[in-house]
Amino acid sequence: KNEVEQSPQNLTAQEGEFITINCSYSVGISALHWLQQHPGGGIVSLFMLSSGKKKHGRLIATINIQEKHSSLHITASHPRDSAVYICAVSRRGGGGGADGLTFGKGTHLIIQP
Amino acid sequence: SAVISQKPSRDICQRGTSLTIQCQVDSQVTMMFWYRQQPGQSLTLIATANQGSEATYESGFVIDKFPISRPNLTFSTLTVSNMSPEDSSIYLCSVEGPGGGGYNEQFFGPGTRLTVL
Repeated sequence: KNEVEQSPQNLTAQEGEFITINCSYSVGISALHWLQQHPGGGIVSLFMLSSGKKKHGRLIATINIQEKHSSLHITASHPRDSAVYICAVSRRGGGGGADGLTFGKGTHLIIQP
Repeated sequence: SAVISQKPSRDICQRGTSLTIQCQVDSQVTMMFWYRQQPGQSLTLIATANQGSEATYESGFVIDKFPISRPNLTFSTLTVSNMSPEDSSIYLCSVEGPGGGGYNEQFFGPGTRLTVL
């Protein structure tokens, strides 16, 4: 079982719809990240969360530490939101000594006009 | 925010050769991270590079295959040695630094797309 699971893997929606992407994790974390990757490969950090909720424009990210679950919401979706959305965690007390991220497989989002 | 550049942006290499990827950051950072993204897969951490010490490798990655240099606080290199077609991936470097919201963010380079024939 992967340490970071995302759902759905693929999502196609119409412009204007409310989008929800879910992320569950099974390890202790110090923070959870939502990232956006466009077809050219570039990755942009959207949010870094350790508790509660954050909002940036049409994007909202929430995390429930007790349930080990986070959601990314997009309101009033637009075709330019089409990308791969990746959930990643910073592990707490990583045994390997490295503090890099552990990634989910990503959600491929397509917003149709 | 941190701006990261990588060289080369892409390369096509022959089996058995080596390629060194450069990562330059516009600010001083303690730790730099190297990731690999194989076709259709998510990112996987290769190693963490701290300035002035040996890189720390994740399980499944070894220094002989992926030697890393970190000569100063703004620069690192990753070498993919004795390449095989299985090494065809996008290689990304990343740093953690202060973001616009007053908290740390992860910043990623544009990636190096490597194809091994």
